[in-house]
Amino acid sequence: DQQVKQNSPSLSVQEGRISILNCDYTNSMFDYFLWYKKYPAEGPTFLISISSIKDKNEDGRFTVFLNKSAKHLSLHIVPSQPGDSAVYFCAASAEGAGNNRKLIWGLGTSLAVNP
Amino acid sequence: DVKVTQSSRYLVKRTGEKVFLECVQDMDHENMFWYRQDPGLGLRLIYFSYDVKMKEKGDIPEGYSVSREKKERFSLILESASTNQTSMYLCASSLKTGGWETQYFGPGTRLLVL
Repeated sequence: DQQVKQNSPSLSVQEGRISILNCDYTNSMFDYFLWYKKYPAEGPTFLISISSIKDKNEDGRFTVFLNKSAKHLSLHIVPSQPGDSAVYFCAASAEGAGNNRKLIWGLGTSLAVNP
Repeated sequence: DVKVTQSSRYLVKRTGEKVFLECVQDMDHENMFWYRQDPGLGLRLIYFSYDVKMKEKGDIPEGYSVSREKKERFSLILESASTNQTSMYLCASSLKTGGWETQYFGPGTRLLVL
């Protein structure tokens, strides 16, 4: 059972427009959320994160919004650029018992930004 | 910058061979992880380690083992490679506290088992 869901496998937007990538989660114990970006044949790279005590975090063109009541977060990219074309993974974590500090990952959304 | 390196970018092995995938990180991170990535299945955790000589099973440990003899090095071992272990293998590391959630990944090893 997927605890972190990215319901859109792919998304296509025009250069300069906004890209909105969505992520839903089921575990109310999650208290930290991250977005990673992955190019083909490379490892994922950390993009932006948000703690559950916040509802918004911004870093340049990237903003993550968290709606705890809806168990939903979204990544906004404005303006979108062709170099943003990649697979985006949403991940979540909860303070686990002992040393069980692992991330729970979504399946990813493939973003294509068209020139 | 954190650097996580993996011993090979591409590897071709035969069914039944013992395969070693090596991962080294240079940022003194306590936690290290091995994932595999397959189309439509996202990232799946195989094993992780939060300290030298410590290991924990992830979600899909069957057919794999790991070794962490030194803090900077985490090895994934396929005892007897099978074709269903053809995949992209990703290693990651993170701090134990204070930002432990952020994992830093290596470039990946694409393994083909024939």
